[in-house]
Formats: sequence, C-alpha cells, structure tokens
Amino acid sequence: AQRVTQPEKLLSVFKGAPVELKCNYSYSGSPELFWYVQYSRQRLQLLLRHISRESIKGFTADLNKGETSFHLKKPFAQEEDSAMYYCALKRGSQGNLIFGKGTKLSVKP
Amino acid sequence: EAGVVQSPRYKIIEKKQPVAFWCNPISGHNTLYWYRQNLGQGPELLIRYENEEAVDDSQLPKDRFSAERLKGVDSTLKIQPAELGDSAVYLCASRWTGGVQETQYFGPGTRLLVL
Repeated sequence: AQRVTQPEKLLSVFKGAPVELKCNYSYSGSPELFWYVQYSRQRLQLLLRHISRESIKGFTADLNKGETSFHLKKPFAQEEDSAMYYCALKRGSQGNLIFGKGTKLSVKP
Repeated sequence: EAGVVQSPRYKIIEKKQPVAFWCNPISGHNTLYWYRQNLGQGPELLIRYENEEAVDDSQLPKDRFSAERLKGVDSTLKIQPAELGDSAVYLCASRWTGGVQETQYFGPGTRLLVL
C-alpha cells in the first residue's frame, strides 16, 4: 500500500539549532516526493520537490530510496519557520498526492 | 491573482442537514481537486477533475457526497445529509497540467462543523 509516514507530531527546537523533519514512504513505483508547508492562518503551499534538488528558505530534502526516506533539513532554524509541514507522495502520472499526517515545527527564541 | 477561492470559509450545521462548498480555481488550471482534512491528519483526496470530467472519484463517499464542475471551471461539493463524522476542513486545489513543474495550488479551505 502507498503510504507516507511522519513519525513526529511535534518538533520543538531553539532558534539557530539544526532541524530535521522525518518522512518515510511506501511506494512500489518510482516515487516523486514533496514537502508542503502551512504557516499560521495561511493556506497549504509547496515548499520543495525532490526532483528539483533545490534549497528553499534554507531547507533541503534528499530522497533516499534505500531507506525510503525524504527527510527535510535546515542547519539553522528561524522563528519564522514555525509551521505545519506535510510530506507528500505523488501517485502515478496523474498527480494525486498522498499526504502524511504532518509535523508541527515550533522554533523557540 | 487571488489564487484558489473557496466559500464559505466556515459552516456550522446540524446533522442530517445538507451543505455545499464552492471552489473557483486559478484561471487556466484544468485540473481541480477536492480534499478532506480531518483534525490531526493530512489532506485526503476525495475527487479529481480534468476539465469537467471526474477522472478519479474512488475515495468519494457516493451515498452522501456529490460534486460537479460545470463548464470545467468552478466546482461544487455537496454533502446530503451531513453526519457528525463529516466535520473537517474541505480543501480545493488546482493545477495546470501543461508545465514542466505541475504544482497544486490550494485554497484556504472550508471548515465544516456538524453538530
């Protein structure tokens, strides 16, 4: 079965500390993975996708097919990074997304 | 550009009552999605439209849920009758399936509370 697992409901770090939000997936085909973010009182929006291999707002994520993981990382967390983060798996070529349950990141001053 | 527009933003109804949600996608986006997001969960797909055709409605509870996308633009999602378990945020998203990177853009959602 296709599934996305985010094991942490809440992750709390201090400003300037490194942060890693975990995401594991289960998919039989060639996966395409995304991180979406929802800031307080804002709509869900795309943060980054693995095929772009880009860094957005200092965040990076590497697809590890051996470990079936797509963890989101940032070396120095900022208070404005506080938000809900959702990992998502694109199923097939039609674009349907399967989301994880999300991790709430809280960056304390 | 206003992005994906949804209305109403909030709705409180009693169980067994009908309710409808409306979505206006980004202009030119041919693909439209309805998701349901329960408390503490990620969004789950209900139905996907390609233009006016529903191409994936396998997760839509068809006994009480219905959707339409007349003229391939705006869409309406209806629940009749609503049950307590339907309390959730209903999200609409749209996408243009013609670019290199086909991003889904989400609306603000409609928060439904069934009493």
